Amino acid sequence: DIVMTQTPLSLSVTPGQPASISCKSSQSLLHSDGKTYLYWYLQKPGQPPQLLIYEVSNRFSGVPDRFSGSGSGTDFTLKISRVEAEDVGMYYCMQSLHLPPLTFGGGTKVEIK
Amino acid sequence: EVQLVESGGGLVQPGGSLRLSCVVSGGTFSSAEMSWVRQAPGKGLEWVSGISGSGGSIYYADSVKGRFTMSRDNSKNTLYLQMDSLRAEDTAIYHCVRGWELLDYWGQGTLVTVSS
Repeated sequence: DIVMTQTPLSLSVTPGQPASISCKSSQSLLHSDGKTYLYWYLQKPGQPPQLLIYEVSNRFSGVPDRFSGSGSGTDFTLKISRVEAEDVGMYYCMQSLHLPPLTFGGGTKVEIK
Repeated sequence: EVQLVESGGGLVQPGGSLRLSCVVSGGTFSSAEMSWVRQAPGKGLEWVSGISGSGGSIYYADSVKGRFTMSRDNSKNTLYLQMDSLRAEDTAIYHCVRGWELLDYWGQGTLVTVSS
């Protein structure tokens, strides 16, 4: 199974400041079709996860442009350019190239200072 | 707008069974691949099972293979998860999710508690 490793485990950020989360996969997530099957989700307290970024860098419908994704192969990053109070929660990366099983990272908790 | 509403969770003894349901509205259910993803209390996300739009292809996580059965009724826009031989470690919120590569819409989930 593909192991997804996220760092840091938690992040405390001052509103208006940037934040960055790293995700590393144990195998390349680049498919022969040219797509890279790496996704980012945010789970706000008491809510189900919501899709933020698909295929490394594409924002899902309605996602603010302060969220951006980058990376390739096995190393990926989610960046929040200016953290807002509504951005608190658990962030997960996920791979769906090598399935089954589809696998998630362990999560990064983002809090506001 | 796509909406997914799960039901069927509850308290069950170890070794028991439960059947979860998920009614999907919005979108074209019959062409949508679907998944179940669970989250144990205070833990991360674990993919459980996925099914193709026709129901002809079904995949399971090793942790549930042989005990859980995923199915769908496209005439009722409904997804199912039959859970047998339940164990304490199956205790979790079970989310119904559209997709199995890109998981784009998630239900609120239904809580399954396995305890004596």
